[in-house]
Amino acid sequence: EAGVTQSPTHLIKTRGQQVTLRCSPISGHTSVYWYQQALGLGLQFLLWYDEGEERNRGNFPPRFSGRQFPNYSSELNVNALELEDSALYLCASSFGTGLSNEQFFGPGTRLTVL
Amino acid sequence: DQQVKQNSPSLSVQEGRISILNCDYTNSMFDYFLWYKKYPAEGPTFLISISSIKDKNEDGRFTVFLNKSAKHLSLHIVPSQPGDSAVYFCAASAHYGQNFVFGPGTRLSVLP
Repeated sequence: EAGVTQSPTHLIKTRGQQVTLRCSPISGHTSVYWYQQALGLGLQFLLWYDEGEERNRGNFPPRFSGRQFPNYSSELNVNALELEDSALYLCASSFGTGLSNEQFFGPGTRLTVL
Repeated sequence: DQQVKQNSPSLSVQEGRISILNCDYTNSMFDYFLWYKKYPAEGPTFLISISSIKDKNEDGRFTVFLNKSAKHLSLHIVPSQPGDSAVYFCAASAHYGQNFVFGPGTRLSVLP
């Protein structure tokens, strides 16, 4: 069974640019979560999508946005990139949102903002 | 303000001995806790979980202990193996599975 996939694996952008990261969940999973892991910090929750709807978002500015498609894949968009947006962006998926909703993580997209 | 803390950034343990990784949290609404393991260049993988109705959960070599009054949980690995060398993240959520908050991680090195 294929795991969570993310693309691209690495990305280099300059300040002010916009970026789109993509995530494909495990087949059958309806929830997708996005996390940011900046250097030296733990995983910071960004966004949670379930059944195509944004269910919750973390403490990030509005220039971080995303969406979930009917096939449950998801995009994370970051506008007006800033240097501190350089981080590993991890996507995770789970089946539903119940007690046992173990989240399965993808390998991440490493974003570098110059 | 970090709601989930892992105060030891790194830990070294001899193979065969016990590894104890600690995690503290501040939000009393947290009721579900997980440990994830992360190897370099890979996403985190789920290890073990515990809900607030329990104080211990065991799975093979891994045991998680929860002390709600102290807002503290720990992961015990016995016996430790070199393949356990990774970064371990503690995560917590309120309302069973929504909006996980992760700690900064502890890098475990198991020495042969």
